[in-house]
Amino acid sequence: DAKTTQPTSMDCAEGRAANLPCNHSTISGNEYVYWYRQIHSQGPQYIIHGLKNNETNEMASLIITEDRKSSTLILPHATLRDTAVYYCIVKSNFGNEKLTFGTGTRLTIIP
Amino acid sequence: DAGVIQSPRHEVTEMGQEVTLRCKPISGHDYLFWYRQTMMRGLELLIYFNNNVPIDDSGMPEDRFSAKMPNASFSTLKIQPSEPRDSAVYFCASSPRTVGYGYTFGSGTRLTVV
Repeated sequence: DAKTTQPTSMDCAEGRAANLPCNHSTISGNEYVYWYRQIHSQGPQYIIHGLKNNETNEMASLIITEDRKSSTLILPHATLRDTAVYYCIVKSNFGNEKLTFGTGTRLTIIP
Repeated sequence: DAGVIQSPRHEVTEMGQEVTLRCKPISGHDYLFWYRQTMMRGLELLIYFNNNVPIDDSGMPEDRFSAKMPNASFSTLKIQPSEPRDSAVYFCASSPRTVGYGYTFGSGTRLTVV
């Protein structure tokens, strides 16, 4: 069974904040939430990860609900270069678990 | 930092030929991963190494596929003999650890077997 559920696609106007949701209702206490994106014809790119606290870096912010059953990746000022497939992945902090990609959300930034 | 370097970027080969894909991880990264991406199956982990030792090869599709990591700065993925269904983009990634840190992916090798 898939560990995460994401919308298949989303659009966002250039310059606006892009909010990408992810449902992970079966997440366990030792699992992190990771976000990656893949721009067309490139390798996946790590964006951010978190356990239970909200996180922010130069690329994005990650908001995790208090019950940890869902999260939102926020791109504060989307540009055309943010058009990509965004993957939300949950992975335990036991080192032998694999980073498994689902189908992700195809985000299109509209000029 | 040049990132994860893969070669070649594109490879076209005839069915039955041997194909070797190459990867140079980021210096200091102890983990190396090989992924394959197709339209039908998405991104799949084939195998990963820790300190040059293969840890999990359960994703390797068949015995035709083999991977080696002779030293910390080089890994190969070999397909012998190649088949048209092996056509895909193959990505290599590296990371200093598997938890609490993101993987850095290379640009991939697009393999076409005709």
